[in-house]
Amino acid sequence: GQNIDQPTEMTATEGAIVQINCTYQTSGFNGLFWYQQHAGEAPTFLSYNVLDGLEEKGRFSSFLSRSKGYSYLLLKELQMKDSASYLCAVRDRGYGGATNKLIFGTGTLLAVQP
Amino acid sequence: DVKVTQSSRYLVKRTGEKVFLECVQDMDHENMFWYRQDPGLGLRLIYFSYDVKMKEKGDIPEGYSVSREKKERFSLILESASTNQTSMYLCASSTRPRTGMDGYTFGSGTRLTVV
Repeated sequence: GQNIDQPTEMTATEGAIVQINCTYQTSGFNGLFWYQQHAGEAPTFLSYNVLDGLEEKGRFSSFLSRSKGYSYLLLKELQMKDSASYLCAVRDRGYGGATNKLIFGTGTLLAVQP
Repeated sequence: DVKVTQSSRYLVKRTGEKVFLECVQDMDHENMFWYRQDPGLGLRLIYFSYDVKMKEKGDIPEGYSVSREKKERFSLILESASTNQTSMYLCASSTRPRTGMDGYTFGSGTRLTVV
């Protein structure tokens, strides 16, 4: 089966660093995505990992370990505008790769406090 | 700027009505998806399409149908709206390749309330 787990809520302080974890089980892993979603808005793409290791993009980094079925999103120098939900999503290989279908976790609501 | 456009941002419908949610993308993407998003449940896949006139059921297709007559347009149909279909509906599109950071581009969402 397919399952993605991430914490429901997290709180952090402005200027600090926060790590949001995601564990997954899937039969046809073909990449992992992180999306950011502000309240009432559509999700927007943050990062992508398909090989093990760390991908860095400015204040945001994402890590993947395929053998452990584990990823994390690291946010540095937190700003108030980073308060949002963060969605972990795994691409499922299915249908020979034609569909490029993503399976989403329930999201982690991050609150950044002054 | 490339876009996925959903026809309505907010919609209120009565129980039993037939409801059409429209989604149009201008990126020539092969794949299109309909999700609903509910608190505590995340995004759940209703239907998807990987080509014109092709459709596949997602995880929660009951009570819904879809139509894809043209590549750029993917419609979600609630045959007889019920109050448990009150939700945020998100359309997304993507390219076909197996690899690469070709994730989804999302529309802005339609918040549907069934009364």
